[in-house]
Amino acid sequence: EAGVTQFPSHSVIEKGQTVTLRCDPISGHDNLYWYRRVMGKEIKFLLHFVKESKQDESGMPNNRFLAERTGGTYSTLKVQPAELEDSGVYFCASSRAPGLPSYNEQFFGPGTRLTVL
Amino acid sequence: AQKVTQAQTEISVVEKEDVTLDCVYETRDTTYYLFWYKQPPSGELVFLIRRNSFDEQNEISGRYSWNFQKSTSSFNFTITASQVVDSAVYFCALSEAMYSGAGSYQLTFGKGTKLSVIP
Repeated sequence: EAGVTQFPSHSVIEKGQTVTLRCDPISGHDNLYWYRRVMGKEIKFLLHFVKESKQDESGMPNNRFLAERTGGTYSTLKVQPAELEDSGVYFCASSRAPGLPSYNEQFFGPGTRLTVL
Repeated sequence: AQKVTQAQTEISVVEKEDVTLDCVYETRDTTYYLFWYKQPPSGELVFLIRRNSFDEQNEISGRYSWNFQKSTSSFNFTITASQVVDSAVYFCALSEAMYSGAGSYQLTFGKGTKLSVIP
């Protein structure tokens, strides 16, 4: 079973530019989460999809961030326009549907390191 | 609100020593899950353990053991006879246990403890 994959692994952009991060969850996982770790701080929740629907986006910092999960498969997280404070590592995780074994065990991808200059 | 505190930012031990990573949590939920993840240099977060708040039995898996103490809101992780391959950042995390349909199993993480095992 392939794990969670994220693309790109690194991205360096200038302030004001747009960046799109992609996450491919484990096949069949209904739940998809985005998290972010700003250097020296905790890994913080951004949002949660159940299939293609946004279940909880309470962690999204502001309206410069837009997440989509068309068709309930892969997800994208777009930052437009990027600001210096958006730098950090963006993690994606996926898990099975509630009721299935280990339903709340989240499998994480390797993360995308975003640097905004 | 939920909160996880990992007071140890960095720990260095010599190979074969035992080491304990501390985790203290806060939650108003009566049922919840606690987790430990390992982040090796490659970057991904590797799941180590999940513990339900109803189950206070300690768990051992090879050289790893976990001590869950509900009375002190702690979920400490011990590595026995540490090895160089144990060098990583370790995260403790907390999530709600009851999926209400309107909520989320989002994880609340601590800041992580960087463990360096010196040969």
